[in-house]
Amino acid sequence: AQSVTQLGSHVSVSEGALVLLRCNYSSSVPPYLFWYVQYPNQGLQLLLKYTSAATLVKGINGFEAEFKKSETSFHLTKPSAHMSDAAEYFCAVTRGGGADGLTFGKGTHLIIQP
Amino acid sequence: EAGVTQFPSHSVIEKGQTVTLRCDPISGHDNLYWYRRVMGKEIKFLLHFVKESKQDESGMPNNRFLAERTGGTYSTLKVQPAELEDSGVYFCASSQGINRKPHGPLTNNEQFFGPGTRLTVL
Repeated sequence: AQSVTQLGSHVSVSEGALVLLRCNYSSSVPPYLFWYVQYPNQGLQLLLKYTSAATLVKGINGFEAEFKKSETSFHLTKPSAHMSDAAEYFCAVTRGGGADGLTFGKGTHLIIQP
Repeated sequence: EAGVTQFPSHSVIEKGQTVTLRCDPISGHDNLYWYRRVMGKEIKFLLHFVKESKQDESGMPNNRFLAERTGGTYSTLKVQPAELEDSGVYFCASSQGINRKPHGPLTNNEQFFGPGTRLTVL
């Protein structure tokens, strides 16, 4: 069975500082991993995905994530936080094959301090 | 191109009543998914349609929930009778499909999410 753990329900950073949101996964099959973002009153939007190609994945809005099999991690980073990055972020893994439903982490609220 | 749409955006009903949620996926997307987020908890998978067939309904909580996708286009999720613990946000997502060589990179499996339906059961 697949599972996702996101450390920290809330992460606060200063504007311009590094953003690091942690995600660890457990999967019985080679995983496909995703980061989604949800802005207030909106649906989930895909930031980036790992699908067994490059281990360093670049996404939208300057975010990137690195797949580390040895650490079973897929942490999300952004070099310089912007006020518009304030949102809730979700890490997810496919339940099985590529088109299967997703198993989500509990989400992390990113708070940007001016 | 229109995204995934869901109706209604909000629904407030009393315990024991019936509610039907609707999801219109992106045109041409064969895969349709339902998820639910109960307050304070993670988003949980409910079920997955491929066209009109249920591919995986292992996440459906109980037999009070019935999902249909007649004709392989829009889908409905009916809760009958609703209970207090059914309150939450119900998300629908769709994806085009998969295009994968064995053990190779996956394409076209991105799930596009709708804005959700917030269900409150009183």
